[in-house]
Amino acid sequence: DVVMTQTPVSLSLAIGQPASISCKSSQSLLGTSGKTFLNWILQRPGQSPKRLIYQVSKLYSEVPDRFSGSGSETEFTLKISRVEAEDLGVYYCWQGTHFPHTFGAGTKLELK
Amino acid sequence: EVQLVESGGGLVQPGRSMKLSCAASGFTFSNYGMAWVRQAPTKGLEWVATISYDGSSTYYRDSVKGRFTISRDNAKSTLYLQMNSLRSEDTATYYCTRGSITRDYWGQGVMVTVSS
Repeated sequence: DVVMTQTPVSLSLAIGQPASISCKSSQSLLGTSGKTFLNWILQRPGQSPKRLIYQVSKLYSEVPDRFSGSGSETEFTLKISRVEAEDLGVYYCWQGTHFPHTFGAGTKLELK
Repeated sequence: EVQLVESGGGLVQPGRSMKLSCAASGFTFSNYGMAWVRQAPTKGLEWVATISYDGSSTYYRDSVKGRFTISRDNAKSTLYLQMNSLRSEDTATYYCTRGSITRDYWGQGVMVTVSS
């Protein structure tokens, strides 16, 4: 199985500060289609997960542009340019290139 | 508006069966692959099973293979998860999600507790 390793485990930031979360996979996520199925989701407290980014860097339409995704092969990063209160929760990266699809353990973003 | 509404959870004894349903609306259900993802209490997310848009292909994680069956009724816009021989480690909130690979929408989840 592809192991997804997220760091850090938690982040404590003030409103307006930047955030960066790393996600590394144990094997390349570049698929035979030429696409890389690395995605990011956010689970706010007490809620189900919500979509953020797909195929490494593509933001869903409702996601603010302070979010960005980058990376390739086995190393990926989610960045928030300026954290806002609504951004708190647990961020997960997950891969859909190889079965079984696997998730990172999550990064908890807390507000200072 | 896309909506995924799970039902059918609850408390069940080890070794027994349970069937989850997910009613979909707001999109053409028959055009999308679907999947179940679960989350044990205070734990992370774990993919369970995926089914293609027409039901012709299914995929399972090893720990549920032979015990769980994912299926769909496109006429009713409903996804199912039949869970047999349940174990304590199957205790989790089960989420219905849209997409074989994208997983762009998630239901609110349904809790399954396996305990005697």
